[in-house]
Amino acid sequence: DIQMTQSPSSLSASVGDRVTITCRASQSITTYLNWYQQKPGKAPKLLIYTASTLQSGVPSRFSGSGSGTDFTLTISSLQPEDFATYYCQQSYSAPRTFGQGTKVEIK
Amino acid sequence: QVQLQESGPGLVKPSETLSLTCTVSGGFIRNYDWSWIRQPPGKGLEWIGYIFNSGSTNYNPSLNSRVTISVDTSKNQFSLKLSSVTAADTAVYYCARIGRGSSWIEEAFDIWGQGTKVTVSS
Repeated sequence: DIQMTQSPSSLSASVGDRVTITCRASQSITTYLNWYQQKPGKAPKLLIYTASTLQSGVPSRFSGSGSGTDFTLTISSLQPEDFATYYCQQSYSAPRTFGQGTKVEIK
Repeated sequence: QVQLQESGPGLVKPSETLSLTCTVSGGFIRNYDWSWIRQPPGKGLEWIGYIFNSGSTNYNPSLNSRVTISVDTSKNQFSLKLSSVTAADTAVYYCARIGRGSSWIEEAFDIWGQGTKVTVSS
């Protein structure tokens, strides 16, 4: 199985901050990497697919980059509605696997 | 607008079979591939398996011998059965659609149900 490791596990930030979350795969997954946002008690929501393609309807302050084993999700200017947990997920091979999550909290 | 809704018992006894159904509305189930994903309390997401529009399946090896995913096109539903459950199977279970990009290999879980909580307890 491909292991996905996110860092940090949690972070505190203020509205307006630039936030970067990292995801590392245990082997190359080229660009088959997706990012999701999950708010408490809700289902995950797809933000970015194939590493850098913004899902329809997702604000442009979200961006993704990377290839191979190292990927980043960046929120250019954190908004109040962005406080949530973020997960990366590889779609390169089965079984599909997720990172452990990064919780973004209010400073 | 495709929407998904999970349904099934919220409480299952140990050693019994967990059975959930996902009803697809706003679209024809045969046009897409579908998946089940679960999330234990306070933990991360675990992929359970796929059912493709061809009817073939692919399961997580960690659950492989206990999982069955099937589709009922007449009802626009797909289902999950997980046998011999234990407390470790307590989780919120989500059904999800597999969206694909410009090529078939580009995939992501683009539409999710709201999730249904299943507790395994006697």
